[in-house]
Amino acid sequence: DSGVTQTPKHLITATGQRVTLRCSPRSGDLSVYWYQQSLDQGLQFLIQYYNGEERAKGNILERFSAQQFPDLHSELNLSSLELGDSALYFCASSPRDRGYEQYFGPGTRLTVT
Amino acid sequence: DAKTTQPPSMDCAEGRAANLPCNHSTISGNEYVYWYRQIHSQGPQYIIHGLKNNETNEMASLIITEDRKSSTLILPHATLRDTAVYYCIVRVGGSNYKLTFGKGTLLTVNP
Repeated sequence: DSGVTQTPKHLITATGQRVTLRCSPRSGDLSVYWYQQSLDQGLQFLIQYYNGEERAKGNILERFSAQQFPDLHSELNLSSLELGDSALYFCASSPRDRGYEQYFGPGTRLTVT
Repeated sequence: DAKTTQPPSMDCAEGRAANLPCNHSTISGNEYVYWYRQIHSQGPQYIIHGLKNNETNEMASLIITEDRKSSTLILPHATLRDTAVYYCIVRVGGSNYKLTFGKGTLLTVNP
């Protein structure tokens, strides 16, 4: 158990819909990262937040957005869903002075039908 | 971030040492080598990292060649639970930075 929690574990929804994935980082970690893992693209970095502010952006689609709240939990919003958005979505957090040591949550498996 | 090359798969007998190679011939002076692993469909797990000296922790050892163009992750006594995809990542040091995962090496530990 990494100490990072993600909900829900599984999500099945239809094309065109919108979903919200939630992540709670480890106690004391200020950084939250979101990654997407699909069969064809592998594990890809989407976005990073640090203490409520966006810090880095990766291959995140415009249909996707994220935020980090004052209590440091984060949400990833996916809208106008397409079949290709089906993937595992991981959240990770890291200690302030060891950003390389990222602790990953168990992931949310999103299936778009 | 420098590009890394890893074999797609390796086998190892349970109880033996597993030596996973990684080539990073374009690594620059301020880039570190990091290793993560991912057990089937679980979130990746940090293993170890190093700059130029060999490193050891409770999980593994990391051997970096003197020219820093390649490295080897060593699991001294592999168990069935070590079966996973192992990722070698090269990036600059510092905190709060994204990780770029390649395809990694699928290590299968056989009984």
